Amino acid sequence: DARVTQTPRHKVTEMGQEVTMRCQPILGHNTVFWYRQTMMQGLELLAYFRNRAPLDDSGMPKDRFSAEMPDATLATLKIQPSEPRDSAVYFCASGSGSPVGETQYFGPGTRLLVL
Amino acid sequence: GNSVTQMEGPVTLSEEAFLTINCTYTATGYPSLFWYVQYPGEGLQLLLKATKADDKGSNKGFEATYRKETTSFHLEKGSVQVSDSAVYFCALSSNYGGSQGNLIFGKGTKLSVKP
Repeated sequence: DARVTQTPRHKVTEMGQEVTMRCQPILGHNTVFWYRQTMMQGLELLAYFRNRAPLDDSGMPKDRFSAEMPDATLATLKIQPSEPRDSAVYFCASGSGSPVGETQYFGPGTRLLVL
Repeated sequence: GNSVTQMEGPVTLSEEAFLTINCTYTATGYPSLFWYVQYPGEGLQLLLKATKADDKGSNKGFEATYRKETTSFHLEKGSVQVSDSAVYFCALSSNYGGSQGNLIFGKGTKLSVKP
């Protein structure tokens, strides 16, 4: 049963520390998405990759967030330095790249708390 | 720009009651429409989708019909179960242009079903 995996599942850190979240997309999927979920803002798209190339990261605060895909099996989202307002659940999702009606498969999320 | 509006919750129903969660959208062209469900502590998973006008998506007793004339994609189920308790998200994706494939989500509707 193929699924998206994310590590760590939970992270508690102090303000100013670097946070790295990792995602392994489903094998063969060529699109990867990073979302942030908070009670106030709901689900927000942070970044979007197709064939490992970043296509859209307009939802991401550029000064502190960065997203990369070092290879097809790994996507990373880094926050440096972290701030309390970054506390949220971060989801990674992958898709097969279908041009119409693509289904996105979500990982279980990384729950981040910045103190 | 594209947007999704869904009825605010929470919605509380008794087991075997009829469910409707309203969803309307604003989009350029002909988007694909989705319902995702999120169970406590988990990531989102696709419930059903429709990619063109008048299509009906269905899964696990849930249905939604893509109504272009009313720009709606309301979710319905004839008889809910306790296990249907979750948060339901309506979403759309554009089928053309630079944002193709990106999901735009509604705020989510929390459903609680009581025995």
